[in-house]
Amino acid sequence: GDSVTQMEGPVTLSEEAFLTINCTYTATGYPSLFWYVQYPGEGLQLLLKATKADDKGSNKGFEATYRKETTSFHLEKGSVQVSDSAVYFCALSDSVAGGGADGLTFGKGTHLIIQP
Amino acid sequence: SAVISQKPSRDICQRGTSLTIQCQVDSQVTMMFWYRQQPGQSLTLIATANQGSEATYESGFVIDKFPISRPNLTFSTLTVSNMSPEDSSIYLCSGSGTNEQFFGPGTRLTVL
Repeated sequence: GDSVTQMEGPVTLSEEAFLTINCTYTATGYPSLFWYVQYPGEGLQLLLKATKADDKGSNKGFEATYRKETTSFHLEKGSVQVSDSAVYFCALSDSVAGGGADGLTFGKGTHLIIQP
Repeated sequence: SAVISQKPSRDICQRGTSLTIQCQVDSQVTMMFWYRQQPGQSLTLIATANQGSEATYESGFVIDKFPISRPNLTFSTLTVSNMSPEDSSIYLCSGSGTNEQFFGPGTRLTVL
């Protein structure tokens, strides 16, 4: 079955540092890939997504590129802020758009802590 | 985008009892899903709530334990039946729009 593996946390960085959170996946076919974020006390929010190979999703300074050859979707940001402190989840869906008939398969989540 | 609310936000229950969680979406969505997030674990899909028909359950989840209703396109319930401490989790509802899934804030359940 489908699975998502992401780096364990917590990840602690100083403000303005470069961020990478690794995510690899196993799936049949051509899944859509997502990063969700959960800020303290809030619900899950979609951060970015990519629906086909070599697509780059981006939002709020975060980027991730769908790499089919390495089955990866690593999350990056050039300069993190304290407000980026949250839990980040990598996920996949067998549905092309990701909002169709299939539920999501999630990684375990990475707790990111940004210190001023 | 869709806004999803859940009731209750949290509850503490005794083993052997049942709890029904409600999920309300502020607009019609095609699909609704229920997930569980056990302590320190990822989100796991429990089932797809189908409007007007029986829910579709993932491997390891059964209707007798997690009965689900979806009477219309904006509302669904999940019941956690005959609870044990192993059912202590956060239960999340989601609804899918055209291009993404929207999540509710979750219901934090503690079973004593």
